[in-house]
Amino acid sequence: DVKVTQSSRYLVKRTGEKVFLECVQDMDHENMFWYRQDPGLGLRLIYFSYDVKMKEKGDIPEGYSVSREKKERFSLILESASTNQTSMYLCASRPRESSYEQYFGPGTRLTVT
Amino acid sequence: GNSVTQMEGPVTLSEEAFLTINCTYTATGYPSLFWYVQYPGEGLQLLLKATKADDKGSNKGFEATYRKETTSFHLEKGSVQVSDSAVYFCALYSGGSNYKLTFGKGTLLTVNP
Repeated sequence: DVKVTQSSRYLVKRTGEKVFLECVQDMDHENMFWYRQDPGLGLRLIYFSYDVKMKEKGDIPEGYSVSREKKERFSLILESASTNQTSMYLCASRPRESSYEQYFGPGTRLTVT
Repeated sequence: GNSVTQMEGPVTLSEEAFLTINCTYTATGYPSLFWYVQYPGEGLQLLLKATKADDKGSNKGFEATYRKETTSFHLEKGSVQVSDSAVYFCALYSGGSNYKLTFGKGTLLTVNP
């Protein structure tokens, strides 16, 4: 089975802190994604990576950056956390050859106070 | 651009009731369509998919048929169980190098015994 893991299930940070959210997948997938999930808004794509060191902005990249130094790991970075970044963050991956379905991790619920 | 519209929730049903969650979409070309399910405290799991018109996706008693003429992909189940309580997301992929999925806002289903 495909396994996507995220470093924390719950995280509480203060405004202005630098925050790292880590995602690891164990199936050698080329593509990885970071979404945020908010009530009434569904899932919105923050960043996408299609290979090591390669990234593309999604729909809402402002205030975020990403890092992909190894194929299995995709990190989301909040350079200076703000209260409007309080949300559920979901990581996903998919192999290059597939019918476009994505495999999701359990999510990290981040609260910025 | 692409969009997915799901029926507003929450939906509350009694066990063994019939379920329909409506989903309509706007997309260029011929998208692939998906239903994802998110159980409490977990990430999203692919429930079923359809990749071309008139295809029927099915899994765990759930079904959805890709209707190009009505641009719809409604989710149905003949007899729901308490364990089906979850949030259901309709999504589409319509091409592009970033493999981005466009999600609906989600529908919360609660099934009471």
